[in-house]
Amino acid sequence: AQKITQTQPGMFVQEKEAVTLDCTYDTSDQSYGLFWYKQPSSGEMIFLIYQGSYDEQNATEGRYSLNFQKARKSANLVISASQLGDSAMYFCAGGNAGGTSYGKLTFGQGTILTVHP
Amino acid sequence: NAGVTQTPKFQVLKTGQSMTLQCAQDMNHEYMSWYRQDPGMGLRLIHYSVGAGITDQGEVPNGYNVSRSTTEDFPLRLLSAAPSQTSVYFCASRRHRDLTYEQYFGPGTRLTVT
Repeated sequence: AQKITQTQPGMFVQEKEAVTLDCTYDTSDQSYGLFWYKQPSSGEMIFLIYQGSYDEQNATEGRYSLNFQKARKSANLVISASQLGDSAMYFCAGGNAGGTSYGKLTFGQGTILTVHP
Repeated sequence: NAGVTQTPKFQVLKTGQSMTLQCAQDMNHEYMSWYRQDPGMGLRLIHYSVGAGITDQGEVPNGYNVSRSTTEDFPLRLLSAAPSQTSVYFCASRRHRDLTYEQYFGPGTRLTVT
């Protein structure tokens, strides 16, 4: 079974600065995947980025990058050049290789990010 | 493509009533899932399906039934609503061969049980 922990209930960042949102995971699986989703105040879930446990390079998607440290079991999300529209709830999620395929994910409790002008 | 659609958007039920939350996707995705999101918490998996006729339980399946008679539809049935089932329900789908592993989420159904 997977456990996903996000220890930052809320984070603040100044516009145009970078911010790191923390995520640690606990799994006994050898092959697994980790995700980040964004949930704005409107409520929809928006996929941001995915990292597989066997991927050698950290995943990047535009201003989002995933700082994957296997030994620390961490999968932190880095948002560069924050924008006001980045203010939202952010969820880290994960699953074993099979479960990830099927859409069987475990979610963390989320971090509310507020971007100040 | 409409993507993943969910109906209704809002619903109020009395304790003991039953109802079905509808979910449909027009992307021919093999995999579909139902999650619930309680206030201040992350999503928890209720049931999922890997194809028509095949479903399995997630983390919190009690009080819910699902079936998948077609690729497009994955309804979630509440058998006898309880206040503990007050939540926002999300349906999601993904394509088997999508290497990004992205799940596409519906807009959610906000359910209140009184």
